[in-house]
Amino acid sequence: AQSVAQPEDQVNVAEGNPLTVKCTYSVSGNPYLFWYVQYPNRGLQFLLKYITGDNLVKGSYGFEAEFNKSQTSFHLKKPSALVSDSALYFCAVEGGANNLFFGTGTRLTVIP
Amino acid sequence: EADIYQTPRYLVIGTGKKITLECSQTMGHDKMYWYQQDPGMELHLIHYSYGVNSTEKGDLSSESTVSRIRTEHFPLTLESARPSHTSQYLCASSEKGAFYGYTFGSGTRLTVV
Repeated sequence: AQSVAQPEDQVNVAEGNPLTVKCTYSVSGNPYLFWYVQYPNRGLQFLLKYITGDNLVKGSYGFEAEFNKSQTSFHLKKPSALVSDSALYFCAVEGGANNLFFGTGTRLTVIP
Repeated sequence: EADIYQTPRYLVIGTGKKITLECSQTMGHDKMYWYQQDPGMELHLIHYSYGVNSTEKGDLSSESTVSRIRTEHFPLTLESARPSHTSQYLCASSEKGAFYGYTFGSGTRLTVV
């Protein structure tokens, strides 16, 4: 079965510093990977996806993610964190039948 | 702004009551989904639909039921609410499935007392 894991429940970073939110995956076949963000009292918003091609994927709000096949990882990154980036971040994998299965989420807090 | 709407946003209801959570989208998407989000954040797919008269159960067993009589409408019903049903319920839709991204509603936060 397809699955993703987010090893950190909470990530704290100072404003202006680079941020990384980690995700590892376990799939059979080619992985189709996604990042979504959830702001307080809101639904999830799509950030970016990896289907095939370049290992570095660029998405919304200055975020990017690096697909690493040898490490089975798909970490989310941003060069300079903003306080407004504070939110819940979910990694997801297409799990067959064209449905998405989400990780447990990571709460990012950017400290002013 | 997302064109998928969930009502109510918050609901507190007594044990044993029947409730329906509404989800409507104006984008003409065939695919719609219900996720249950734990208080600890984890999301579980509980129902999905690929079009009118199509409904399937997701990976998390749920006592809820869904219907899809119209493309734009995908309500979720609990016949007899229990405290274990306390959770946030998120509805989503997609034009062509996971590869093309989901649009999520703002969710319904349900508390059963």
